[in-house]
Amino acid sequence: GENVEQHPSTLSVQEGDSAVIKCTYSDSASNYFPWYKQELGKGPQLIIDIRSNVGEKKDQRIAVTLNKTAKHFSLHITETQPEDSAVYFCAASFLSGSARQLTFGSGTQLTVLP
Amino acid sequence: DGGITQSPKYLFRKEGQNVTLSCEQNLNHDAMYWYRQDPGQGLRLIYYSQIVNDFQKGDIAEGYSVSREKKESFPLTVTSAQKNPTAFYLCASRDASYGYTSERYGYTFGSGTRLTVV
Repeated sequence: GENVEQHPSTLSVQEGDSAVIKCTYSDSASNYFPWYKQELGKGPQLIIDIRSNVGEKKDQRIAVTLNKTAKHFSLHITETQPEDSAVYFCAASFLSGSARQLTFGSGTQLTVLP
Repeated sequence: DGGITQSPKYLFRKEGQNVTLSCEQNLNHDAMYWYRQDPGQGLRLIYYSQIVNDFQKGDIAEGYSVSREKKESFPLTVTSAQKNPTAFYLCASRDASYGYTSERYGYTFGSGTRLTVV
C-alpha cells in the first residue's frame, strides 16, 4: 500500500509570514494529492488538491506544488492569519483492488502567532 | 444542503459495552469510510465500503464492525473486543465514479464523534 510521510509535525509562524508543509509518498502510481484542514473538534475540510499532470496549483493564499520524480508535494500558505491555525493533513491516492483510496499523512499542527 | 452527518457528537461507553456510531450522507456518494484519530496522530482506516451490502477491513478493523444496508448509511459498532476505544471517530464519503474532477476524488468528512470509555 501507499505510505505518506508529513513534516513537520508542528509549525509556528508569525502572522503575515509564510508556512510550508511537506509530504513524501511511496507509490509512483499515485495521481491525486489533496490537502485537508482540520479545526479543533471538527472533521477535515478539503482546501486544495493537485493531480499528477500538474506541477503547481494556486488558490489565493494557498498553493500546492508537486514533484513526481522525487515523489513529494508541498503546501504553501502565504500571508498567514490567525484563522489559518489548525491541523493540516496531506494525502495521496492509490489503487486498492478496483477502487481508489487515500492514505493520509500524520498531520501538521500549524500555529499562527499574532 | 448536501452533507454527511455523524451522531452523537460525544459518546461515553462503559467497559464491556458495545456502542454504535451513526453516519448518514445525502450526497449520493457510493463509497463510505470510517477513520480513527488519536491525539497528535493521523487518520487510520477502520473499515470502508464501496457499494451497498459490501465492506472491507481497513488497517485497524479489530474490535469494530460495520454494516452497509443502505447507500446513505454506514454505522460503526465499537465492540467490547476493542481494548482501547477512546478516540475521535471520523466518517467520510466519496463519489466512487471514475471521474477526473476533484469533486469526485475528494473525500467529504463528517464532524466526528468523540468516544470516551468511562
